[in-house]
Amino acid sequence: EAQVTQNPRYLITVTGKKLTVTCSQNMNHEYMSWYRQDPGLGLRQIYYSMNVEVTDKGDVPEGYKVSRKEKRNFPLILESPSPNQTSLYFCASSEREAYEQYFGPGTRLTVT
Amino acid sequence: QKEVEQNSGPLSVPEGAIASLNCTYSDRGSQSFFWYRQYSGKSPELIMFIYSNGDKEDGRFTAQLNKASQYVSLLIRDSQPSDSATYLCAVNRYDYKLSFGAGTTVTVRA
Repeated sequence: EAQVTQNPRYLITVTGKKLTVTCSQNMNHEYMSWYRQDPGLGLRQIYYSMNVEVTDKGDVPEGYKVSRKEKRNFPLILESPSPNQTSLYFCASSEREAYEQYFGPGTRLTVT
Repeated sequence: QKEVEQNSGPLSVPEGAIASLNCTYSDRGSQSFFWYRQYSGKSPELIMFIYSNGDKEDGRFTAQLNKASQYVSLLIRDSQPSDSATYLCAVNRYDYKLSFGAGTTVTVRA
C-alpha cells in the first residue's frame, strides 16, 4: 500500500529535550515536505526537500532541522523544543514539487 | 499580506445545494493550484488540481482558475453531508514552496 508514515503519532515532551519525528514514504517520491498546522493559521511549510541531500527552508524553519540521506526518509529534528512548537505536524511527499501531496497521518506534539 | 487567503467561513449549506469556496493568492508566478479536503482529526487529501485558466470539472467538483485576477475557486454541486469538512486551497509558488490558506469549514445540513 502506497503511504507516508510518521512516528510517533503523539508526543509530550519538555522544553529543551531534543526530539526527532520520523517520516518515511514508499512511493519513490522525490519531493518531501514538513508542515505544521495551527488553528487559524492553516498549514505552514517548515522545510522541503527536492531530492536526496537537497533541502531548503519553507516559511517557518526557525527551531527545526531536517536531513535527507535516503530518498524514502525525511526526519524532522527539534534540537531544543519550546512551547511555541506545540502543534500538529504533517509530513508529505509528491513525485515533484508541483504535484499532488500525499500526507502522513500527523504527529501531535506538546511541549511543556 | 498572506500568500493565500480563503473566505473564512464557516459555510453552511443545505443538502443538495451548491457550496462555493474562494481563494486568492499573492504570487503572480504561481503555476499550480490545489484544493484539499480535511476531515476533523485526519490528514488533508487532494480533491482537485488545476494548472490552466478556466474551469476543470471532476464529478460534483469544479475548480476555476483566473490567473489575471489571482483567484481560484471550488464549487461543490449537490452537496452531501459527507462533504462536511475543511477545504484547503494550496498554491505552488515559483520558489518551489507550497503555501496553504487557513481553510474554509463547510457544513452540509441534512
